[in-house]
Amino acid sequence: DAGVTQSPTHLIKTRGQQVTLRCSPKSGHDTVSWYQQALGQGPQFIFQYYEEEERQRGNFPDRFSGHQFPNYSSELNVNALLLGDSALYLCASSMGGDQETQYFGPGTRLLVL
Amino acid sequence: LAKTTQPISMDSYEGQEVNITCSHNNIATNDYITWYQQFPSQGPRFIIQGYKTKVTNEVASLFIPADRKSSTLSLPRVSLSDTAVYYCLVGDRGGSYIPTFGRGTSLIVHP
Repeated sequence: DAGVTQSPTHLIKTRGQQVTLRCSPKSGHDTVSWYQQALGQGPQFIFQYYEEEERQRGNFPDRFSGHQFPNYSSELNVNALLLGDSALYLCASSMGGDQETQYFGPGTRLLVL
Repeated sequence: LAKTTQPISMDSYEGQEVNITCSHNNIATNDYITWYQQFPSQGPRFIIQGYKTKVTNEVASLFIPADRKSSTLSLPRVSLSDTAVYYCLVGDRGGSYIPTFGRGTSLIVHP
Protein backbone atom coordinates (compact mmCIF):
# COMPACT_ATOMS: atom_id res chain seq x y z
CA ASP A 1 0.00 0.00 0.00
CA ALA A 2 1.81 3.10 -1.24
CA GLY A 3 1.81 6.05 1.08
CA VAL A 4 1.92 9.69 0.11
CA THR A 5 4.77 10.47 -2.25
CA GLN A 6 6.21 13.85 -3.18
CA SER A 7 8.69 15.04 -5.74
CA PRO A 8 11.26 16.37 -5.88
CA THR A 9 12.76 15.83 -2.42
CA HIS A 10 14.92 18.94 -2.62
CA LEU A 11 14.93 21.99 -4.86
CA ILE A 12 16.99 25.15 -5.16
CA LYS A 13 15.58 28.19 -6.95
CA THR A 14 16.40 31.87 -7.20
CA ARG A 15 14.18 34.81 -6.38
CA GLY A 16 11.56 35.55 -9.02
CA GLN A 17 11.52 32.05 -10.42
CA GLN A 18 8.56 29.71 -10.45
CA VAL A 19 8.38 26.22 -8.97
CA THR A 20 6.07 23.22 -9.28
CA LEU A 21 5.89 20.54 -6.61
CA ARG A 22 4.08 17.26 -7.05
CA CYS A 23 2.17 14.91 -4.79
CA SER A 24 0.56 11.50 -5.15
CA PRO A 25 -1.93 10.66 -2.42
CA LYS A 26 -2.09 7.46 -0.43
CA SER A 27 -3.89 4.68 -2.25
CA GLY A 28 -7.65 5.08 -1.87
CA HIS A 29 -7.48 8.75 -0.87
CA ASP A 30 -9.12 11.45 -2.95
CA THR A 31 -8.27 14.62 -1.03
CA VAL A 32 -4.97 16.46 -1.03
CA SER A 33 -3.88 19.31 1.20
CA TRP A 34 -0.69 21.34 0.99
CA TYR A 35 1.24 22.86 3.88
CA GLN A 36 4.27 25.10 4.25
CA GLN A 37 6.55 24.48 7.20
CA ALA A 38 9.25 26.99 8.04
CA LEU A 39 12.14 25.93 10.23
CA GLY A 40 11.09 25.59 13.86
CA GLN A 41 7.42 26.20 13.13
CA GLY A 42 4.39 23.97 12.72
CA PRO A 43 2.95 23.29 9.27
CA GLN A 44 0.80 26.11 7.88
CA PHE A 45 -2.19 25.15 5.75
CA ILE A 46 -2.02 26.46 2.17
CA PHE A 47 -5.04 24.85 0.51
CA GLN A 48 -7.01 21.66 0.00
CA TYR A 49 -8.10 19.99 -3.22
CA TYR A 50 -11.07 17.68 -3.41
CA GLU A 51 -12.90 16.60 -6.57
CA GLU A 52 -10.37 18.60 -8.60
CA GLU A 53 -11.39 21.86 -6.97
CA GLU A 54 -9.79 24.08 -4.34
CA ARG A 55 -12.09 23.67 -1.34
CA GLN A 56 -10.30 25.47 1.45
CA ARG A 57 -7.52 28.03 1.47
CA GLY A 58 -5.30 29.33 4.20
CA ASN A 59 -3.74 32.77 4.46
CA PHE A 60 -1.44 32.55 1.45
CA PRO A 61 -1.17 34.97 -1.50
CA ASP A 62 -2.32 34.19 -5.02
CA ARG A 63 1.28 33.38 -5.95
CA PHE A 64 0.45 30.00 -4.48
CA SER A 65 -1.79 27.98 -6.74
CA GLY A 66 -2.55 24.35 -7.28
CA HIS A 67 -4.24 21.72 -9.29
CA GLN A 68 -5.68 18.28 -8.75
CA PHE A 69 -5.81 15.71 -11.53
CA PRO A 70 -8.45 13.04 -12.19
CA ASN A 71 -6.19 10.44 -10.60
CA TYR A 72 -6.22 12.58 -7.41
CA SER A 73 -2.57 13.57 -7.65
CA SER A 74 -1.84 17.23 -7.15
CA GLU A 75 0.58 20.02 -7.96
CA LEU A 76 1.54 23.09 -5.99
CA ASN A 77 2.79 26.06 -8.00
CA VAL A 78 4.54 29.05 -6.53
CA ASN A 79 5.25 32.05 -8.74
CA ALA A 80 7.64 34.96 -8.23
CA LEU A 81 9.55 33.18 -5.50
CA LEU A 82 10.69 35.15 -2.47
CA LEU A 83 13.44 34.30 -0.03
CA GLY A 84 10.73 33.75 2.57
CA ASP A 85 9.25 30.93 0.53
CA SER A 86 12.15 28.73 1.60
CA ALA A 87 10.53 25.96 3.60
CA LEU A 88 9.50 22.33 3.72
CA TYR A 89 6.38 21.85 1.62
CA LEU A 90 4.20 19.02 2.81
CA CYS A 91 1.42 17.22 1.06
CA ALA A 92 -1.22 15.35 3.02
CA SER A 93 -3.96 13.08 1.76
CA SER A 94 -7.25 11.99 3.23
CA MET A 95 -10.65 10.72 2.17
CA GLY A 96 -13.84 12.56 1.28
CA GLY A 97 -12.61 16.01 2.16
CA ASP A 98 -11.74 14.94 5.70
CA GLN A 99 -9.26 17.31 7.31
CA GLU A 100 -8.74 15.63 10.65
CA THR A 101 -7.08 12.35 9.80
CA GLN A 102 -4.45 13.13 7.24
CA TYR A 103 -1.48 11.15 6.00
CA PHE A 104 1.55 13.27 5.23
CA GLY A 105 4.27 12.78 2.68
CA PRO A 106 7.98 13.31 3.38
CA GLY A 107 7.90 16.82 1.97
CA THR A 108 9.88 18.82 -0.57
CA ARG A 109 12.61 21.05 0.82
CA LEU A 110 12.68 24.30 -1.18
CA LEU A 111 15.54 26.75 -0.88
CA VAL A 112 15.20 30.14 -2.53
CA LEU A 113 18.44 32.05 -3.04
CA LEU B 1 -11.59 28.35 15.75
CA ALA B 2 -10.41 26.64 18.92
CA LYS B 3 -6.93 27.75 19.93
CA THR B 4 -4.60 25.21 21.50
CA THR B 5 -1.79 25.70 24.01
CA GLN B 6 0.95 23.15 24.64
CA PRO B 7 4.27 23.21 26.46
CA ILE B 8 7.07 24.16 24.10
CA SER B 9 9.36 21.38 25.27
CA MET B 10 9.61 18.38 27.58
CA ASP B 11 12.38 16.05 28.64
CA SER B 12 12.08 12.43 29.71
CA TYR B 13 14.13 9.26 30.06
CA GLU B 14 13.80 5.91 28.40
CA GLY B 15 11.19 3.67 29.99
CA GLN B 16 9.23 6.48 31.58
CA GLU B 17 5.64 7.42 30.84
CA VAL B 18 5.25 10.84 29.22
CA ASN B 19 2.11 12.94 29.45
CA ILE B 20 1.70 15.97 27.20
CA THR B 21 -1.24 18.21 27.99
CA CYS B 22 -2.97 20.48 25.51
CA SER B 23 -5.35 23.25 26.54
CA HIS B 24 -8.28 24.13 24.28
CA ASN B 25 -10.62 26.22 26.41
CA ASN B 26 -12.96 27.27 23.60
CA ILE B 27 -13.43 23.84 22.02
CA ALA B 28 -16.74 23.58 20.18
CA THR B 29 -19.35 20.86 20.59
CA ASN B 30 -18.53 19.20 17.26
CA ASP B 31 -14.75 19.45 17.61
CA TYR B 32 -12.50 16.40 17.77
CA ILE B 33 -8.99 16.36 19.22
CA THR B 34 -6.19 14.97 17.09
CA TRP B 35 -2.51 14.45 17.85
CA TYR B 36 0.31 14.21 15.35
CA GLN B 37 3.97 13.28 15.76
CA GLN B 38 6.72 14.73 13.60
CA PHE B 39 10.35 13.65 13.27
CA PRO B 40 12.93 16.04 11.77
CA SER B 41 12.67 16.41 7.98
CA GLN B 42 9.57 14.21 7.83
CA GLY B 43 5.87 14.94 7.55
CA PRO B 44 3.66 14.69 10.64
CA ARG B 45 2.22 11.29 11.45
CA PHE B 46 -1.28 10.79 12.84
CA ILE B 47 -1.12 9.30 16.34
CA ILE B 48 -4.57 9.35 17.88
CA GLN B 49 -7.92 11.10 17.80
CA GLY B 50 -10.72 11.39 20.31
CA TYR B 51 -13.89 13.21 21.25
CA LYS B 52 -14.36 12.46 24.94
CA THR B 53 -13.22 10.20 27.80
CA LYS B 54 -10.35 7.91 26.84
CA VAL B 55 -9.03 6.51 23.60
CA THR B 56 -6.21 3.99 23.38
CA ASN B 57 -4.35 2.49 20.46
CA GLU B 58 -1.10 0.60 20.03
CA VAL B 59 0.93 3.80 20.19
CA ALA B 60 -0.64 6.06 22.80
CA SER B 61 -3.61 6.93 24.96
CA LEU B 62 -5.62 10.11 24.88
CA PHE B 63 -7.40 11.30 28.00
CA ILE B 64 -10.15 13.89 27.67
CA PRO B 65 -11.94 15.20 30.79
CA ALA B 66 -15.68 15.76 30.84
CA ASP B 67 -15.43 19.50 30.12
CA ARG B 68 -13.15 18.78 27.12
CA LYS B 69 -11.18 21.98 27.74
CA SER B 70 -7.95 20.05 27.75
CA SER B 71 -6.57 16.71 26.65
CA THR B 72 -3.54 14.64 27.58
CA LEU B 73 -1.52 12.49 25.24
CA SER B 74 0.10 9.65 27.16
CA LEU B 75 3.08 7.76 25.76
CA PRO B 76 3.87 4.65 27.81
CA ARG B 77 7.48 3.61 28.36
CA VAL B 78 9.09 6.00 25.90
CA SER B 79 12.23 5.12 23.97
CA LEU B 80 14.83 7.27 22.23
CA SER B 81 12.84 6.92 19.01
CA ASP B 82 9.94 8.81 20.56
CA THR B 83 12.02 12.00 20.43
CA ALA B 84 9.91 14.20 18.17
CA VAL B 85 7.57 17.17 18.05
CA TYR B 86 3.98 16.46 19.07
CA TYR B 87 1.09 18.60 17.83
CA CYS B 88 -2.42 18.90 19.23
CA LEU B 89 -5.17 20.00 16.82
CA VAL B 90 -8.83 20.70 17.46
CA GLY B 91 -11.49 20.80 14.75
CA ASP B 92 -14.85 19.55 13.62
CA ARG B 93 -13.72 17.25 10.77
CA GLY B 94 -16.07 19.12 8.49
CA GLY B 95 -15.29 20.51 5.08
CA SER B 96 -14.88 24.01 6.43
CA TYR B 97 -12.26 23.04 8.98
CA ILE B 98 -8.74 24.34 8.37
CA PRO B 99 -6.13 22.35 10.35
CA THR B 100 -4.07 24.67 12.51
CA PHE B 101 -0.75 23.41 13.79
CA GLY B 102 0.89 25.42 16.54
CA ARG B 103 4.57 25.07 17.35
CA GLY B 104 3.92 21.78 19.09
CA THR B 105 5.76 20.20 21.99
CA SER B 106 9.34 19.12 21.42
CA LEU B 107 9.90 15.93 23.40
CA ILE B 108 13.46 14.81 24.01
CA VAL B 109 13.97 11.33 25.43
CA HIS B 110 17.34 10.78 27.13
CA PRO B 111 19.13 7.43 27.61
